[in-house]
Amino acid sequence: AQSVTQLGSHVSVSEGALVLLRCNYSSSVPPYLFWYVQYPNQGLQLLLKYTSAATLVKGINGFEAEFKKSETSFHLTKPSAHMSDAAEYFCAVSDQGDDKIIFGKGTRLHILP
Amino acid sequence: NAGVTQTPKFQVLKTGQSMTLQCAQDMNHNSMYWYRQDPGMGLRLIYYSASEGTTDKGEVPNGYNVSRLNKREFSLRLESAAPSQTSVYFCASSDLTRTVQPQHFGDGTRLSIL
Repeated sequence: AQSVTQLGSHVSVSEGALVLLRCNYSSSVPPYLFWYVQYPNQGLQLLLKYTSAATLVKGINGFEAEFKKSETSFHLTKPSAHMSDAAEYFCAVSDQGDDKIIFGKGTRLHILP
Repeated sequence: NAGVTQTPKFQVLKTGQSMTLQCAQDMNHNSMYWYRQDPGMGLRLIYYSASEGTTDKGEVPNGYNVSRLNKREFSLRLESAAPSQTSVYFCASSDLTRTVQPQHFGDGTRLSIL
């Protein structure tokens, strides 16, 4: 069964610094991969998704992620953090043709002024 | 354009009480899901419904029942609430007839069991 591991339950970066949130997946075949963001007291919103069309995926709010098959990774990055990026981020995986999406445990991103 | 609507937003129950969480989507999606979110645990799938008339267990189904009332509505019932069921519950929907369609989420129901 597929799974995702997010390294670091909390990450702190300074405003204007690079954001890097790590995600590794476990799957026997290249899966579909997603990053979601959750702001306080809200549901999850899709940031970006990988569906095998391109290894570098650009999402909303300046975020992007790169699929690396050799490393089974799908890390999320943003060149310059903004205070409004403070939220919890979830990596998720789904096998092609599967009805279900499996979520990681989340990484809470803190932005320091 | 409401998307996924969950009711109620907050609820406090006593141990042993029952209640039903309601979810409705207006996007004509085939698949609907119930998750629970606990600190440090991410989202765990309770039940899902791939299409109207079908339901399947997820990772943590014990203590819950579901009903796919029609294509729009998918309810989650706690027959005898327990403190371990204190959580935030999210409903989601997907249109998996498209190539890849991520899930759309409601804003959650915050449930406390005393």
